[in-house]
Amino acid sequence: AQKVTQAQTEISVVEKEDVTLDCVYETRDTTYYLFWYKQPPSGELVFLIRRNSFDEQNEISGRYSWNFQKSTSSFNFTITASQVVDSAVYFCALSEAPVYTGKLIFGQGTTLQVKP
Amino acid sequence: GAGVSQSPSNKVTEKGKDVELRCDPISGHTALYWYRQSLGQGLEFLIYFQGNSAPDKSGLPSDRFSAERTGGSVSTLTIQRTQQEDSAVYLCASSQRLSSGSLYEQYFGPGTRLTVT
Repeated sequence: AQKVTQAQTEISVVEKEDVTLDCVYETRDTTYYLFWYKQPPSGELVFLIRRNSFDEQNEISGRYSWNFQKSTSSFNFTITASQVVDSAVYFCALSEAPVYTGKLIFGQGTTLQVKP
Repeated sequence: GAGVSQSPSNKVTEKGKDVELRCDPISGHTALYWYRQSLGQGLEFLIYFQGNSAPDKSGLPSDRFSAERTGGSVSTLTIQRTQQEDSAVYLCASSQRLSSGSLYEQYFGPGTRLTVT
């Protein structure tokens, strides 16, 4: 069965610290997609990144970076020099191969608190 | 451009009543999804629509839940005879059409917070 595990329930850091959010997934599919979403206190889920299973290149976007490793079934997310505005719940998600519905299976989320 | 919109933003209803939740997807997005977010269960898939294809209803928790999508755009999620365990935030998402080898990201609406008293 497909599953996403975010073992860190809550993380608290002080502004400007780097923080890594872990995501481990399980799937029998050879083709799949992984996503990260941010849910700020306002409640709306915000798309951050999409990665397909054939692309293991790490990606950097400003202070955000993602490390995808198929060998360990992990898709970790690092925020460099964290800011108070990064405080939110972060969800990792897995989707079935695109020939199917593309429905997302979410992890339980990691609540990140960045203190000034 | 306009994002996914949902109405109402909040709904309080008495146990046993029926409720309708509405979702207006991003223009041009042919795929539409409903999810539910609750404290105990996290984020769960409910139902998926793609164009004129039969919907994927595999996530609906009971036959009290149904959804339709009219004209390939607006969708309505209906919960009949609501129960207290139905209390949750109901999220709608839309994405571009799935194509061979590509899966596009889903964009989420602000959700409808349903409280069943």
